[in-house]
Amino acid sequence: SAVISQKPSRDICQRGTSLTIQCQVDSQVTMMFWYRQQPGQSLTLIATANQGSEATYESGFVIDKFPISRPNLTFSTLTVSNMSPEDSSIYLCSVDKNTGELFFGEGSRLTVL
Amino acid sequence: RKEVEQDPGPFNVPEGATVAFNCTYSNSASQSFFWYRQDCRKEPKLLMSVYSSGNEDGRFTAQLNRASQYISLLIRDSKLSDSATYLCVVNKRWTGNQFYFGTGTSLTVIP
Repeated sequence: SAVISQKPSRDICQRGTSLTIQCQVDSQVTMMFWYRQQPGQSLTLIATANQGSEATYESGFVIDKFPISRPNLTFSTLTVSNMSPEDSSIYLCSVDKNTGELFFGEGSRLTVL
Repeated sequence: RKEVEQDPGPFNVPEGATVAFNCTYSNSASQSFFWYRQDCRKEPKLLMSVYSSGNEDGRFTAQLNRASQYISLLIRDSKLSDSATYLCVVNKRWTGNQFYFGTGTSLTVIP
Protein backbone atom coordinates (compact mmCIF):
# COMPACT_ATOMS: atom_id res chain seq x y z
CA SER A 1 0.00 0.00 0.00
CA ALA A 2 0.97 3.65 0.04
CA VAL A 3 0.24 6.52 2.37
CA ILE A 4 -0.32 9.74 0.45
CA SER A 5 -0.77 13.08 2.13
CA GLN A 6 -2.22 16.02 0.27
CA LYS A 7 -2.32 19.63 1.38
CA PRO A 8 -4.48 21.63 1.54
CA SER A 9 -7.47 19.36 1.98
CA ARG A 10 -9.73 22.20 0.93
CA ASP A 11 -9.50 25.85 0.05
CA ILE A 12 -11.66 28.70 -1.14
CA CYS A 13 -9.90 31.05 -3.52
CA GLN A 14 -10.61 34.22 -5.44
CA ARG A 15 -10.60 34.15 -9.21
CA GLY A 16 -7.35 35.19 -10.80
CA THR A 17 -5.22 33.80 -7.99
CA SER A 18 -3.15 30.61 -7.99
CA LEU A 19 -3.07 27.68 -5.58
CA THR A 20 -0.36 25.07 -5.13
CA ILE A 21 -1.33 21.61 -3.92
CA GLN A 22 1.29 19.42 -2.33
CA CYS A 23 1.47 15.63 -2.42
CA GLN A 24 3.80 13.63 -0.17
CA VAL A 25 4.19 9.85 -0.45
CA ASP A 26 5.56 7.63 2.30
CA SER A 27 7.91 5.79 -0.07
CA GLN A 28 9.74 6.38 -3.32
CA VAL A 29 7.65 5.95 -6.43
CA THR A 30 8.53 6.33 -10.08
CA MET A 31 5.29 7.75 -11.32
CA MET A 32 2.90 10.19 -9.72
CA PHE A 33 -0.33 11.31 -11.32
CA TRP A 34 -2.60 14.29 -10.90
CA TYR A 35 -6.33 13.87 -11.48
CA ARG A 36 -9.25 16.25 -11.41
CA GLN A 37 -12.75 15.24 -10.37
CA GLN A 38 -15.34 17.87 -11.12
CA PRO A 39 -18.65 17.81 -9.25
CA GLY A 40 -20.68 14.74 -10.12
CA GLN A 41 -18.11 13.46 -12.59
CA SER A 42 -15.40 10.87 -12.71
CA LEU A 43 -11.67 11.36 -12.61
CA THR A 44 -9.81 13.00 -15.47
CA LEU A 45 -6.06 12.62 -15.73
CA ILE A 46 -4.34 16.01 -15.86
CA ALA A 47 -0.73 14.93 -16.12
CA THR A 48 1.93 12.45 -15.13
CA ALA A 49 4.61 13.93 -12.90
CA ASN A 50 8.02 12.55 -13.84
CA GLN A 51 11.02 12.90 -11.57
CA GLY A 52 13.85 14.70 -13.30
CA SER A 53 11.90 15.73 -16.37
CA GLU A 54 8.89 17.78 -17.37
CA ALA A 55 5.43 16.49 -16.63
CA THR A 56 3.47 14.81 -19.39
CA TYR A 57 0.12 16.51 -19.91
CA GLU A 58 -3.07 14.99 -21.24
CA SER A 59 -5.07 16.56 -24.03
CA GLY A 60 -6.82 19.69 -22.82
CA PHE A 61 -4.34 20.45 -20.06
CA VAL A 62 -1.31 22.72 -20.45
CA ILE A 63 1.72 23.52 -18.38
CA ASP A 64 0.96 27.23 -18.13
CA LYS A 65 -2.35 26.52 -16.43
CA PHE A 66 -1.26 23.50 -14.34
CA PRO A 67 2.48 23.69 -13.68
CA ILE A 68 3.79 20.62 -11.89
CA SER A 69 6.95 20.04 -9.94
CA ARG A 70 8.54 16.71 -9.06
CA PRO A 71 11.76 17.45 -7.18
CA ASN A 72 12.23 13.92 -5.84
CA LEU A 73 10.68 10.46 -5.77
CA THR A 74 8.34 11.14 -2.84
CA PHE A 75 6.96 14.59 -3.53
CA SER A 76 5.08 16.56 -6.17
CA THR A 77 3.13 19.78 -6.45
CA LEU A 78 0.36 20.89 -8.78
CA THR A 79 -0.42 24.56 -9.21
CA VAL A 80 -3.76 25.74 -10.52
CA SER A 81 -2.96 29.11 -12.06
CA ASN A 82 -5.12 32.15 -12.72
CA MET A 83 -8.13 30.36 -11.32
CA SER A 84 -11.69 30.74 -12.50
CA PRO A 85 -14.91 29.22 -11.09
CA GLU A 86 -14.62 26.45 -13.70
CA ASP A 87 -11.52 25.23 -11.87
CA SER A 88 -13.61 24.38 -8.82
CA SER A 89 -13.00 20.70 -8.40
CA ILE A 90 -11.34 18.02 -6.35
CA TYR A 91 -7.71 17.51 -7.28
CA LEU A 92 -6.27 14.11 -6.47
CA CYS A 93 -2.69 12.95 -6.34
CA SER A 94 -2.08 9.28 -7.01
CA VAL A 95 0.79 6.82 -7.33
CA ASP A 96 1.34 3.47 -8.91
CA LYS A 97 3.74 1.23 -7.00
CA ASN A 98 4.09 -1.16 -9.94
CA THR A 99 1.46 -3.42 -8.45
CA GLY A 100 -1.16 -2.39 -10.99
CA GLU A 101 -3.08 -0.56 -8.28
CA LEU A 102 -3.43 3.19 -8.03
CA PHE A 103 -3.33 4.70 -4.57
CA PHE A 104 -4.90 8.08 -4.02
CA GLY A 105 -4.51 10.91 -1.62
CA GLU A 106 -7.65 12.16 0.06
CA GLY A 107 -7.91 14.96 -2.45
CA SER A 108 -7.87 18.75 -2.32
CA ARG A 109 -11.29 20.32 -2.67
CA LEU A 110 -10.97 23.68 -4.38
CA THR A 111 -13.72 26.28 -4.63
CA VAL A 112 -13.11 29.36 -6.75
CA LEU A 113 -15.36 32.33 -6.18
CA ARG B 1 -14.44 9.04 -28.15
CA LYS B 2 -13.93 8.43 -24.43
CA GLU B 3 -11.37 5.85 -23.37
CA VAL B 4 -13.86 4.20 -21.02
CA GLU B 5 -17.65 4.33 -21.07
CA GLN B 6 -20.01 3.25 -18.32
CA ASP B 7 -23.70 3.35 -17.67
CA PRO B 8 -23.92 6.06 -14.97
CA GLY B 9 -27.06 4.61 -13.40
CA PRO B 10 -28.19 5.28 -10.78
CA PHE B 11 -28.99 1.76 -9.72
CA ASN B 12 -31.33 1.52 -6.75
CA VAL B 13 -31.70 -2.09 -5.62
CA PRO B 14 -33.10 -3.82 -2.52
CA GLU B 15 -30.86 -5.63 -0.09
CA GLY B 16 -30.08 -9.12 -1.28
CA ALA B 17 -30.48 -8.30 -4.96
CA THR B 18 -27.97 -9.10 -7.66
CA VAL B 19 -26.79 -6.18 -9.76
CA ALA B 20 -24.49 -5.99 -12.79
CA PHE B 21 -22.46 -3.08 -14.11
CA ASN B 22 -21.03 -2.86 -17.60
CA CYS B 23 -18.19 -0.95 -19.12
CA THR B 24 -16.63 -0.68 -22.58
CA TYR B 25 -13.20 0.61 -23.55
CA SER B 26 -12.11 2.08 -26.84
CA ASN B 27 -8.48 1.06 -27.21
CA SER B 28 -8.03 -2.61 -28.06
CA ALA B 29 -4.41 -2.49 -26.91
CA SER B 30 -5.34 -1.62 -23.32
CA GLN B 31 -3.52 -3.91 -20.96
CA SER B 32 -4.95 -3.90 -17.47
CA PHE B 33 -8.46 -3.49 -16.15
CA PHE B 34 -9.87 -2.73 -12.73
CA TRP B 35 -12.97 -1.87 -10.78
CA TYR B 36 -12.56 0.86 -8.18
CA ARG B 37 -15.05 1.89 -5.55
CA GLN B 38 -15.58 5.48 -4.48
CA ASP B 39 -17.63 6.37 -1.46
CA CYS B 40 -19.20 9.80 -1.18
CA ARG B 41 -16.56 12.50 -0.60
CA LYS B 42 -13.79 9.93 -0.45
CA GLU B 43 -10.96 8.96 -2.77
CA PRO B 44 -11.31 5.91 -5.07
CA LYS B 45 -10.01 2.59 -3.80
CA LEU B 46 -9.31 -0.60 -5.68
CA LEU B 47 -12.14 -3.14 -5.50
CA MET B 48 -10.67 -5.77 -7.78
CA SER B 49 -8.58 -6.37 -10.85
CA VAL B 50 -10.21 -7.90 -13.92
CA TYR B 51 -8.63 -10.79 -15.78
CA SER B 52 -9.52 -12.48 -19.06
CA SER B 53 -10.27 -15.68 -17.17
CA GLY B 54 -12.66 -13.83 -14.90
CA ASN B 55 -12.18 -13.50 -11.19
CA GLU B 56 -14.31 -13.73 -8.11
CA ASP B 57 -13.92 -12.23 -4.65
CA GLY B 58 -16.71 -13.22 -2.34
CA ARG B 59 -19.91 -11.66 -3.61
CA PHE B 60 -18.11 -9.83 -6.42
CA THR B 61 -17.35 -11.27 -9.85
CA ALA B 62 -15.50 -9.43 -12.60
CA GLN B 63 -15.32 -10.45 -16.24
CA LEU B 64 -13.29 -9.21 -19.20
CA ASN B 65 -14.13 -9.82 -22.85
CA ARG B 66 -11.21 -8.57 -24.93
CA ALA B 67 -12.88 -9.35 -28.24
CA SER B 68 -15.83 -7.10 -27.39
CA GLN B 69 -13.72 -4.68 -25.30
CA TYR B 70 -16.20 -5.14 -22.50
CA ILE B 71 -15.81 -5.37 -18.73
CA SER B 72 -18.45 -6.32 -16.19
CA LEU B 73 -18.92 -6.41 -12.43
CA LEU B 74 -21.53 -8.56 -10.75
CA ILE B 75 -22.52 -8.03 -7.13
CA ARG B 76 -24.54 -10.78 -5.51
CA ASP B 77 -26.57 -10.55 -2.29
CA SER B 78 -26.23 -6.75 -2.15
CA LYS B 79 -25.56 -5.19 1.24
CA LEU B 80 -26.32 -1.65 2.39
CA SER B 81 -22.57 -1.12 2.64
CA ASP B 82 -22.21 -1.74 -1.10
CA SER B 83 -23.78 1.67 -1.77
CA ALA B 84 -21.11 3.64 -3.60
CA THR B 85 -19.97 4.66 -7.05
CA TYR B 86 -18.17 1.94 -9.01
CA LEU B 87 -15.53 3.09 -11.45
CA CYS B 88 -14.29 1.08 -14.41
CA VAL B 89 -10.59 1.71 -14.98
CA VAL B 90 -8.29 0.88 -17.87
CA ASN B 91 -4.52 1.03 -17.80
CA LYS B 92 -2.29 1.61 -20.82
CA ARG B 93 1.21 0.91 -19.60
CA TRP B 94 2.96 1.32 -22.90
CA THR B 95 2.04 5.00 -23.14
CA GLY B 96 3.41 5.95 -19.75
CA ASN B 97 1.25 3.91 -17.44
CA GLN B 98 -1.79 6.16 -17.45
CA PHE B 99 -5.00 4.98 -15.87
CA TYR B 100 -8.29 6.06 -17.44
CA PHE B 101 -11.52 6.16 -15.48
CA GLY B 102 -15.10 5.68 -16.57
CA THR B 103 -17.73 8.11 -15.36
CA GLY B 104 -18.75 5.69 -12.65
CA THR B 105 -21.96 3.83 -11.88
CA SER B 106 -23.88 4.89 -8.79
CA LEU B 107 -25.36 2.12 -6.66
CA THR B 108 -27.75 2.58 -3.76
CA VAL B 109 -28.82 -0.51 -1.85
CA ILE B 110 -32.15 0.04 -0.15
CA PRO B 111 -33.21 -1.67 3.10
